[in-house]
Formats: sequence, structure tokens, C-alpha cells
Amino acid sequence: EVQLVESGGGLVQPGGSLRLSCAASGFIFSSFWMTWVRQGPGKGLEWVANIKSDGSENSYADSVKGRFTISRDNAKNSLSLQMNSLRAEDTAVFFCATHRNWAFDFWGQGTLVTVSS
Amino acid sequence: QSALTQPASVSGSPGQSITISCTGTNSDVGGYNYVSWYQQHPGKAPKLLIYGVSNRPSGVSNRFSGSKSGNTASLTISGLQPEDEADYYCSSYSSSSTPHYDFGTGTKVTVL
Repeated sequence: EVQLVESGGGLVQPGGSLRLSCAASGFIFSSFWMTWVRQGPGKGLEWVANIKSDGSENSYADSVKGRFTISRDNAKNSLSLQMNSLRAEDTAVFFCATHRNWAFDFWGQGTLVTVSS
Repeated sequence: QSALTQPASVSGSPGQSITISCTGTNSDVGGYNYVSWYQQHPGKAPKLLIYGVSNRPSGVSNRFSGSKSGNTASLTISGLQPEDEADYYCSSYSSSSTPHYDFGTGTKVTVL
């Protein structure tokens, strides 16, 4: 059974940093592209970033480019999102998801990031 | 990078069929067969319903179907059931600016 478990969310001040993690199990992690998607309180879904199966390629939404970095450790079946220079508008639940066939097929339950002073 | 346009809400009675539209441009919906649809119940993670415009993953009910015409994709739910009440989002790969994915604005489906 595919399982994705996000962690690392919490309260951070504007301008601060946070690192999210996503622990994967139940599938061959190193064969899958992976994605982060976020959802602000009461808002819709927003694609954040994705990374190729071997980590050699990645893409970012304009809203986070230069501030967020996606990475993965295939030996540990782990996906990460380093978030710097956080803003109030980054407040959201962050989901990690597998990325196949140009879609996001399995999702974690999400971790909440709150940016506030 | 901008959101795809969906109606804010759609409603129907049990057993009826409803259709949710998703309008983009020829840089996303119209340019690629990479449209997907997601169902999200309150407080839950989204669930993939349709990928590649019209393909259903294993385990997804055949009451859900997808199609596309020009820059508009559609999700049809037939035989509407109470458990279909949820938020629905479309998504598409986009080649405008740097390659990325856009989600739709979301549609709240109410079963009357």
C-alpha cells in the first residue's frame, strides 16, 4: 500500500525558514517523480514544485522560485522541501504526492505551515 | 501562472448527471492531453479521479468520466450519490513561461 507521510510543519515568523519532509513507503520511490502541492486556508490547490525520479530535474511555481528548494534522498525514500524567506501568503497545508502520467496519483495527508508573527 | 477557470458550484439531485467545466488556454488545457481531475472531501487529501483527460485510475468508479474540447475540459458525474458531495479540481500541465502545472479554481458539488 502506498503511504506518504509529511512532517515538519509548524509556526514560523515571516522571513523565517522551515524544512518539510515526506516519508514514502509501499512503492519503488526511486522510480517516481514527486510533487509538492499546497492549499491555503479556505483556498484551492496550488502546485509548488516537482522533482524527477533521480533528482536530476526540478521545476517550481513562480510564487516560490528562488525561496523554496525541492530535493530527495532515494536511499531513504524521502522527499524534502526547504522553505526560506517565508511570507504570510505561504501559510497553507502542504501535501506531497506521487507524479505519474502528468497527474498526481497518491497523496499524503498534509502538514500545516503557518507564517505569522 | 494562473488558475484554470471552474464554476464555483454545481448541484444536482441523487441519480442525476452533472458536468463541471475547466477552461484554460492553448498553452495548457488546449495544447496537451494532460488534464487531470481530483475530488477533495473536507479536511482530506485530494483523490485522483481522471488523468490524461479521460483515463480512470484503478478503483475509481466509472460514474466519473472526463473529456475535452478545445481549451475546455469537462468532468461528468453520472448517477450522482450523496458521497459525491465534495470539492473538485482540474489540473493541467502548462508550457507558458517555465513548464509548470496549474490547478482549477475548484467547484463545490452539492447533492440536493
